[in-house]
Amino acid sequence: GENVEQHPSTLSVQEGDSAVIKCTYSDSASNYFPWYKQELGKRPQLIIDIRSNVGEKKDQRIAVTLNKTAKHFSLHITETQPEDSAVYFCAATGGQNFVFGPGTRLSVLP
Amino acid sequence: NAGVTQTPKFRVLKTGQSMTLLCAQDMNHEYMYWYRQDPGMGLRLIHYSVGEGTTAKGEVPDGYNVSRLKKQNFLLGLESAAPSQTSVYFCASSPSRGGELFFGEGSRLTVL
Repeated sequence: GENVEQHPSTLSVQEGDSAVIKCTYSDSASNYFPWYKQELGKRPQLIIDIRSNVGEKKDQRIAVTLNKTAKHFSLHITETQPEDSAVYFCAATGGQNFVFGPGTRLSVLP
Repeated sequence: NAGVTQTPKFRVLKTGQSMTLLCAQDMNHEYMYWYRQDPGMGLRLIHYSVGEGTTAKGEVPDGYNVSRLKKQNFLLGLESAAPSQTSVYFCASSPSRGGELFFGEGSRLTVL
């Protein structure tokens, strides 16, 4: 089955700097890769996603890149703000089931 | 439009007790999922359903049962709770295969 690894597990950046979180997946049949943000005590919420027919997608300060050959995808957050502090999860799916990475705790320091 | 609603939000059980978590969605979604979230382990799929009357096992199904008698509801049952089932449980729904997941607020279960 699918296996998703995520690095780093924790990340601290200064406000205004960029943050990058990387994920790798194992199943070449996976074709949809969402990223979820979970604030403390809240539910996970989708922030951006990418499908396998696209190499990069951007939404304001957030971007995701996908390298199908290497089976990895990354989340890029530019100009980080304190409200970006949260746990971020990547996921991969080829159909019915989503497999999540273990999460990255991002702290944006003022 | 409430989205995905889970009840109860908190519960404390003794080992061996049983309970049912209810997930209800008002978005007419076909797919529904139950995940558990433990520190450092992300979200792990317990069971899922691709439509009314269907259920299937996920990554960690042991000790849990599910039912989807109505399209809008997905129930997660623990027949004999164990301390290892202490966790936060999230229900999610999706309109389609490989579509966006919409999560409930979570249910924190403690088994003593």
